[in-house]
Amino acid sequence: GAGVSQSPRYKVAKRGQDVALRCDPISGHVSLFWYQQALGQGPEFLTYFQNEAQLDKSGLPSDRFFAERPEGSVSTLKIQRTQQEDSAVYLCASSPELGYGYTFGSGTRLTVV
Amino acid sequence: LAKTTQPISMDSYEGQEVNITCSHNNIATNDYITWYQQFPSQGPRFIIQGYKTKVTNEVASLFIPADRKSSTLSLPRVSLSDTAVYYCLVGAGGGNKLTFGTGTQLKVEL
Repeated sequence: GAGVSQSPRYKVAKRGQDVALRCDPISGHVSLFWYQQALGQGPEFLTYFQNEAQLDKSGLPSDRFFAERPEGSVSTLKIQRTQQEDSAVYLCASSPELGYGYTFGSGTRLTVV
Repeated sequence: LAKTTQPISMDSYEGQEVNITCSHNNIATNDYITWYQQFPSQGPRFIIQGYKTKVTNEVASLFIPADRKSSTLSLPRVSLSDTAVYYCLVGAGGGNKLTFGTGTQLKVEL
């Protein structure tokens, strides 16, 4: 596609519910990143894929967060047993090569009630 | 990654030139300086990147002094649509993660 597509745009989850957030990167982009952005803050790195390999997951806040990219294209960020502190915008970015030309999606706004 | 410091907010008027300065005293030799723009409900968008001296594109200019401990993003003749948060990032060009600060909220008025 022309840009990075994320779905859903908005998600309301009850505390304790599992959620799955989808990212469709730009076709052919090797690198894919997930970021978390709390209200009034800059985005914070969660995890990074190169093709299907998850090379860095140092930013995932807990073992309730899990990301995958099984075929090296679409990626899913899964949050298990959501908590109120998980409420944030989750941004996906892709780039054709490491370190250059990042394109961000518009994000998924997750609200945990 | 080098920590950056930039003003929390700035106000300007349409048609004015806006300069946003970012301090990065601990910048490393192989670090680049990159600026992103973010509108509400959108992801950050790349504006400009540089290593030293001056870089100019169709959107902005980036001025980097010889010691590279700071940089200035210059937006010529801003309009209302330039109201956004601007982030200064410092990191190796081949780095695999971007480190954002809290950014500078620019508000442009008539």
